[in-house]
Order: sequence, then C-alpha cells, then structure tokens
Amino acid sequence: KAGVTQTPRYLIKTRGQQVTLSCSPISGHRSVSWYQQTPGQGLQFLFEYFSETQRNKGNFPGRFSGRQFSNSRSEMNVSTLELGDSALYLCASSWDGPTGELFFGEGSRLTVL
Amino acid sequence: AQSVAQPEDQVNVAEGNPLTVKCTYSVSGNPYLFWYVQYPNRGLQFLLKYITGDNLVKGSYGFEAEFNKSQTSFHLKKPSALVSDSALYFCAVRDYRQTGANNLFFGTGTRLTVIP
Repeated sequence: KAGVTQTPRYLIKTRGQQVTLSCSPISGHRSVSWYQQTPGQGLQFLFEYFSETQRNKGNFPGRFSGRQFSNSRSEMNVSTLELGDSALYLCASSWDGPTGELFFGEGSRLTVL
Repeated sequence: AQSVAQPEDQVNVAEGNPLTVKCTYSVSGNPYLFWYVQYPNRGLQFLLKYITGDNLVKGSYGFEAEFNKSQTSFHLKKPSALVSDSALYFCAVRDYRQTGANNLFFGTGTRLTVIP
C-alpha cells in the first residue's frame, strides 16, 4: 500500500515568488493535514482538509492557502514568499475520527533566498 | 485549549540502558495521545498511541508509553536503548471534541542520543 507522497521533495525559490506543494494521501484517507517544521518554531499546524472542505486552520497569514480535490489529493500554496518561509512542509493523511494516527509524507523542503 | 510539553530538549542514554522521554499534556476532553519519531530529513513515523484502556501502551520498535491521568503525563519508554534509536521524538495530542478535526498538536520535540 503506497504511503503519503509529497512533491517536490526539494525546491529553491526567491523572495516574492509563490510556490505550490502537492500531497497524495494514502488511498481511502479523506483527511489531509499540513504542517510547517522549522528549527525555531518546531512543528506548526497549517490547515486540515476533509472532503474538499477546510475543517481547521492554524495561525498563519493569508499568504498560506490550500485546497483539496475530489480524489483527496491536496495542494498548498504560499504566495509572496519571505525568507522565514524556509521550512520543511509536511503533509499527513488519516481516516476520520479521533482515534486514528496521522501518516506523514517525507516532506517538501523549501528554501527561500 | 490543548497543549503538549516536552520538558527536555535533549536526552542522552548509554546503549543497553533504559530510556525515558517525557511528555505532559493539557486537553479539555478525553486525551488522544501519540508519539512519533523523526530521522534526519525525513517525515514523522508513528510509534504508538493512547486512546483508552490499559495505561501501558506498546508500540513499534520495542517502545512503550505509560499514560498517567492524575499527572497528565504520557512518557515514552524503552527497556534497552539501541544506537539506532537516536532521533527526534515528538509527543502529540488531538483535541477532537474541541476542534472536530483530525490535526494533532505537537510538543517541541526531544532529541535522543544513544551513546555506544
């Protein structure tokens, strides 16, 4: 059974550009969550999508957005990149409900120059 | 509001010795607790979870965790550490009743180093 797949794995952008990251969840999982990981802030929750609807959102500016498609695949977008957006962006999928664990992808490492 | 605290940034233990990585939590409803491990430049891997039932939970790679409701703790343990256990460990809580969502709130992580 395939795991969570994130693309691209690595990317370099310059300030002011925008970036789109993609996540394919485990087959059958309808919940997809996104996290930002940095050395200084640790793991911070960005947003969660379920059945194409954003169900919960973390404390990030509006430059960070996401969406989910009918096949549960998800994308997140960051516009007007800042140096501080350099991070590992992790996607996770799960079954719905409180008891299931999240399954994480390998992440997309974004470097903003 | 939910929160998780990992009071130790770094834990060092000799190979073969028992290890403990500490975690305390705060959540309004029933606690759903998780431990994850992260190796360099990789995603997080699930180790174990507490949902309900026995306070001692067994997980992957010989790890276990003890849920203590009175102390609001969920410490990760292993009887005999391996060098390959060296990694970053995260404790996490889900407050499903509060958020109705699946996302987890993570602690700041504890770096475990097992010394040969």
